[in-house]
Amino acid sequence: QSALTQPASVSGSPGQSITISCTGTSSDVGSYNLVSWYQQHPGKAPKLIICEGSKRPSGVSNRFSGSKSDNTASLTISGLQAEDEADYYCCSYAGGGIWVFGGGTKVTVL
Amino acid sequence: QVQLVESGGGVVQPGRSLRLSCAASGFTFSGFGMHWVRQAPGKGLEWVAVIWYDGSKKFYADSVKGRFTISRDNSKNTLYLQMNSLRADDTAVYYCARFIGGDNSGYYDYWGQGTMVTVSS
Repeated sequence: QSALTQPASVSGSPGQSITISCTGTSSDVGSYNLVSWYQQHPGKAPKLIICEGSKRPSGVSNRFSGSKSDNTASLTISGLQAEDEADYYCCSYAGGGIWVFGGGTKVTVL
Repeated sequence: QVQLVESGGGVVQPGRSLRLSCAASGFTFSGFGMHWVRQAPGKGLEWVAVIWYDGSKKFYADSVKGRFTISRDNSKNTLYLQMNSLRADDTAVYYCARFIGGDNSGYYDYWGQGTMVTVSS
C-alpha cells in the first residue's frame, strides 16, 4: 500500500497554468481510470475538486481539470489565483478493497 | 444539507483504546459507503478504512489492520472507528467521508471537520 507519488511543491504566478502529477502503478492508477482530486486549505477538511478522473463537481471552477495517461493522473489549474494556494491530493482505488492517496502537493502562488 | 460530525478524539496513552464516532445527517445514511481517512500533523492524507453501505464489507489499511474496527449503526445514522492498541504514529486528525461509487471506483463528496487523536504518555 504505497502512496501515489506527487511532487512536494509546485508554484506559479497569478494567471499562469500549473500541472500536478500523480504517479502510481499498473495496480492502482493504471488499472482504474477514476482518480479523484482534493484541495485542502490549512486547518480545513479536504474538498473534492475532480471526480471520476476529469469531472468537476457542481460549484468547482472550470479552471480545474483532470486527465490520465497510463499510470499517471494529472491535475491542471489554469488562470492561477491566490485562492488556489493550498495542498492538493490525488486518490485512487488500489484493488482488494484498498484505497490510496498521493503524498500531497503544496501549491504556491507567487 | 449533508453534515458529517466526528467526535471522540482526545489524548490517550500508548496501548489504550479510543472509539470515534461520525454522526451523519441530511442524507440517507444507509445508502452510502463510508470511509475513515487520517492526517498526521504536517503530513498528507492516509486512507484508513471503508465500510459498505450495509456493513457487509469492511477493508483496512495495513497500518491499522487487526487494531482498528470500522462499524456503523444505520438506525442511528452513525459511523464508528474502534481503535485499539494505539501507537504514537496513530496520532492524527481523523476524518469521516461519504463515498460515492462502486466496488472499484468512486470519490469522497463530503467530509467531516475531523477529530484529533493524540497518542502520548
